Amino acid sequence: KQEVTQIPAALSVPEGENLVLNCSFTDSAIYNLQWFRQDPGKGLTSLLLIQSSQREQTSGRLNASLDKSSGRSTLYIAASQPGDSATYLCAVNGNYQLIWGAGTKLIIKP
Amino acid sequence: EAGVAQSPRYKIIEKRQSVAFWCNPISGHATLYWYQQILGQGPKLLIQFQNNGVVDDSQLPKDRFSAERLKGVDSTLKIQPAKLEDSAVYLCASSLEQGSSYEQYFGPGTRLTVT
Repeated sequence: KQEVTQIPAALSVPEGENLVLNCSFTDSAIYNLQWFRQDPGKGLTSLLLIQSSQREQTSGRLNASLDKSSGRSTLYIAASQPGDSATYLCAVNGNYQLIWGAGTKLIIKP
Repeated sequence: EAGVAQSPRYKIIEKRQSVAFWCNPISGHATLYWYQQILGQGPKLLIQFQNNGVVDDSQLPKDRFSAERLKGVDSTLKIQPAKLEDSAVYLCASSLEQGSSYEQYFGPGTRLTVT
């Protein structure tokens, strides 16, 4: 049974810092992995999707990597801004179903 | 392109009452999902529809939860009777088709509080 873990559960950093969010999964037989952003009272916004054959994806200040063999993905945020404050969730897609981590709540201090 | 619409956005009910949530997916999307997200946790899939048929409802508490998608477009999720532990955000998502290659798009969710 696939399990997805995100550590830490919460992270607070000063504005301008680069930071890394972690996601680990137990079963490497995945189709793809997605990183989502969730703002309070709002739905989920997809940030990056990495196919199982890919090693990384980039969008603006965001870079997500995938290492299937070790069951890990990281989301790198460069030059963090207060607007980046949100909860970030990763979801593993396998067997036609998304399996989710509990998320990392990120606070960027001005 | 309009996104996934959900209503109501917020609902407060007492335990043992009933409640219904509505979802309108992105036009043309055949697959519709309902998720339950309890505070501090990731979403849990409750039910998945392909057009108006159920693909997966293995995690739906069928003694109190029901869902339908009669015409293969809009969907309704109902809870009757509600329990305190049903307090959560209920998310609806849709995708063009079922399968891992199709991205899911999420609505804003309905926050349910059961007192």
